[in-house]
Amino acid sequence: DIVMTQSPDSLAVSLGERATITCKSSQTILYNSNNKNYLAWYQQRPGQPPKLLIYWASTRESGVPDRFSGSGSGTDFTLTISSLQAADVAVYYCQQYYATPLTFGGGTKVEIK
Amino acid sequence: QVQLVQSGAEVKKPGASVKVSCKASGYTFVSFGINWLRQAPGQRLEWMGWISPYNGDTKYAQNFQDRVTMTTDTSTSTSYMEVTSLGSEDTAVYYCARDAFPQYSYAELWLDPWGQGTLVTVSS
Repeated sequence: DIVMTQSPDSLAVSLGERATITCKSSQTILYNSNNKNYLAWYQQRPGQPPKLLIYWASTRESGVPDRFSGSGSGTDFTLTISSLQAADVAVYYCQQYYATPLTFGGGTKVEIK
Repeated sequence: QVQLVQSGAEVKKPGASVKVSCKASGYTFVSFGINWLRQAPGQRLEWMGWISPYNGDTKYAQNFQDRVTMTTDTSTSTSYMEVTSLGSEDTAVYYCARDAFPQYSYAELWLDPWGQGTLVTVSS
């Protein structure tokens, strides 16, 4: 199975400041034939199911604010919240869909400092 | 709007079975695969398997293939997931989640949307 490792486990950021979350896969999730990274990011607010933010590592889902951005390739990926808002308090997960079983990172809890 | 609505919380004794439902609305049910996942307390999300409402094809995670059965009822646009021989380690929130775009045979995808989750508690 592909193991997804996120860091940090939690971070506290002041309102309006940048939050950066990293996700590392145990093997490449870049498909050479189409040059796409098979990685998605989700946001899970307390008491809610996960909500899709980004797929193909950097494509923002329709309706997701542009302060959310994804980057990276191969085995190393980043989710950035450029200017943290109160509504962004949540746990964030990365997920690979390069191979079965689908696997997720352990989550990063984002709080307000 | 596209929505998945799951059945309510369950409390089961060890050794029992549980069946969770996931009712879809707002899209053509047979065109999108349904995935089942779970999240145990303090654990990461765990993918359990996939079913095609189009033809009933399934793909189970190796950890679950002996104890999990996924089915669909196209007349009610509902997917079901049954887990047998429950143990305390099966206490978790169980989610259904739709494939992000239509497909009739299994291929790995991102998931959108998700059901609201069903808490299954296994306790004697």
